[in-house]
Amino acid sequence: LAKTTQPISMDSYEGQEVNITCSHNNIATNDYITWYQQFPSQGPRFIIQGYKTKVTNEVASLFIPADRKSSTLSLPRVSLSDTAVYYCLGPNSGYALNFGKGTSLLVTP
Amino acid sequence: EAGVAQSPRYKIIEKRQSVAFWCNPISGHATLYWYQQILGQGPKLLIQFQNNGVVDDSQLPKDRFSAERLKGVDSTLKIQPAKLEDSAVYLCASRPRQGGPLAKNIQYFGAGTRLSVL
Repeated sequence: LAKTTQPISMDSYEGQEVNITCSHNNIATNDYITWYQQFPSQGPRFIIQGYKTKVTNEVASLFIPADRKSSTLSLPRVSLSDTAVYYCLGPNSGYALNFGKGTSLLVTP
Repeated sequence: EAGVAQSPRYKIIEKRQSVAFWCNPISGHATLYWYQQILGQGPKLLIQFQNNGVVDDSQLPKDRFSAERLKGVDSTLKIQPAKLEDSAVYLCASRPRQGGPLAKNIQYFGAGTRLSVL
């Protein structure tokens, strides 16, 4: 399966904005860009997806440039409870999700 | 709406023993997945069911792993005999059958079963 590239880890202080960028050079034309969040001892949870430009929901914003070869997940004013692993999903075939290693975000006071 | 239920939450066994995990998906979800998540890695698909039929089991180590979903609802994943490298979290996920491109990548995960093989 094709891979994505994202930082292994990031640190942030409470109240800051966190941006996690993922590269997905060979995303298919019909693929959406999808991000999941996983807290310790829990299964992954879908947080946002988009096709192009910008998508915003109550959890995060997703910025996708015109070439769609990368995307940036933006978490506004993070809190301690945003400490988690964030996965940018790779292109997939069928309906199986293609997880990489994700970005481990640590938020400290 | 109840989420995906899995049991047990934790299991410790010795190598060469057998173990089984149970999953009850969200009501009405036709598609069910089992993933294996090794520490420090993302989940990896083991098997996908559509109702009670297997859609994809290409990454399931069939010499020791088996899974069934007899009535198209609950599912069981079994390992026999277990090896040390099977130590991982086993996650079950489900999604509705219907849905276009927007729904394709949205799956609902249980909390998983953490297996330790000694």
